[in-house]
Amino acid sequence: NAGVTQTPKFQVLKTGQSMTLQCAQDMNHEYMSWYRQDPGMGLRLIHYSVGAGITDQGEVPNGYNVSRSTTEDFPLRLLSAAPSQTSVYFCASSYVVPGLSGNTIYFGEGSWLTVV
Amino acid sequence: GEDVEQSLFLSVREGDSSVINCTYTDSSSTYLYWYKQEPGAGLQLLTYIFSNMDMKQDQRLTVLLNKKDKHLSLRIADTQTGDSAIYFCADLNQAGTALIFGKGTTLSVSS
Repeated sequence: NAGVTQTPKFQVLKTGQSMTLQCAQDMNHEYMSWYRQDPGMGLRLIHYSVGAGITDQGEVPNGYNVSRSTTEDFPLRLLSAAPSQTSVYFCASSYVVPGLSGNTIYFGEGSWLTVV
Repeated sequence: GEDVEQSLFLSVREGDSSVINCTYTDSSSTYLYWYKQEPGAGLQLLTYIFSNMDMKQDQRLTVLLNKKDKHLSLRIADTQTGDSAIYFCADLNQAGTALIFGKGTTLSVSS
């Protein structure tokens, strides 16, 4: 029972490099999302998806792309990494859009990204 | 816009009760959540409360909701050193599509 799996757990990038943070869930959840966590800022929503083929922007989408080709996977792409993207990234999923019910939102263990 | 505020630090002694407070701005909130984050780990859902409830109890946890004042609290009875963590209050955004988190309250429990 894997839940929400994020890879890699740690990554160091050089400014300007691109990379993809992977997120997979095995619970057949329709809703998936990406947050970033910065010291003193709490968690802020980057992008979310309410189902395969559907994505939308959150509070801080600039510099990030997402796609949802399958129900299971929701990768987050950094197109040209900047030091301001140094953060901890969390993927989360739930059965349906959170507002439809009090269904549990599951979080991955996080990906620590440093951009130098 | 929607906002969630919490105090940043709380220090208690083992065996005491801890009360973590949170205020939110969205009067149409339907669900409010408490998450726990231990060092180097992800977020673990502790409990949530539906907006038509005033109180919810789950073992050592008691959640109180005052909708008039838009105030939410989490009480941990008989606090243990294992309860040391960051506690996040979260509200649903108006569209119901995402959580809005407070900045987190760091709970430190001393023996």
